[in-house]
Amino acid sequence: EVQLVESGGGLVNPGGSLRLSCAASGFTFTDAWMSWVRQAPGKGLEWVGRIKTKTDGGTTDYAAPVKGRFTVSRDDSKNTLYLQMNSLKTEDTAVYYCSTLNGVPLNDYWGPGTLVTVSS
Amino acid sequence: DVVMTQSPLSLPVTLGQPASISCRSSQSLVYSDGNIYLNWFQQRPGQSPRRLIYMVSNRDSGVPDRFSGSGSGTDFTLKISRVEAEDVGVYYCMEATHWPPYTFGQGTKLEIK
Repeated sequence: EVQLVESGGGLVNPGGSLRLSCAASGFTFTDAWMSWVRQAPGKGLEWVGRIKTKTDGGTTDYAAPVKGRFTVSRDDSKNTLYLQMNSLKTEDTAVYYCSTLNGVPLNDYWGPGTLVTVSS
Repeated sequence: DVVMTQSPLSLPVTLGQPASISCRSSQSLVYSDGNIYLNWFQQRPGQSPRRLIYMVSNRDSGVPDRFSGSGSGTDFTLKISRVEAEDVGVYYCMEATHWPPYTFGQGTKLEIK
């Protein structure tokens, strides 16, 4: 059974940092480009960032609102995806999902999400 | 960046009746390989998103055949032939041609009339 399980969410002050994790199982993690997608309360979906496989260079891309503040990384030995979030703003408050998000005939998996609240 | 515009944003439908959601992109979604990378997602209340359709018209495994996707260039449509109660939720289109970034539409909320 495929599982993606996010953790690390919580309440943080503006300007603070948080690291999210996403533990993957049930599929070949090392072969998957992985993304983080967020959803502010009552709002739509927003792609945050993505990391390619090591085979494809392991490079990362980010959405403009988080570029320079967020970092996506992966540890293939632990089948885990990470999102390091620095200089957090109130507008970063959202449920953060990890996903194998893609546009091609590859399976598309999503975790249940973890809530990040940025507030003083 | 590409802008994805969905309509309507709210869609009340009677059970058993068809439903249609439009998605328009601000530029052509034809990739250099000739394919169009346009996805449709469903998000039921309280659940994570789930992809229904990839590359305009291909249903993901387990997706009922009452869901269909069509379109070309900049205009795309998701159709539900006969709406069932389990179809309630928000539907998003997403383009994966001009990544990064991946861009979602605003979402269309389908409810039962």
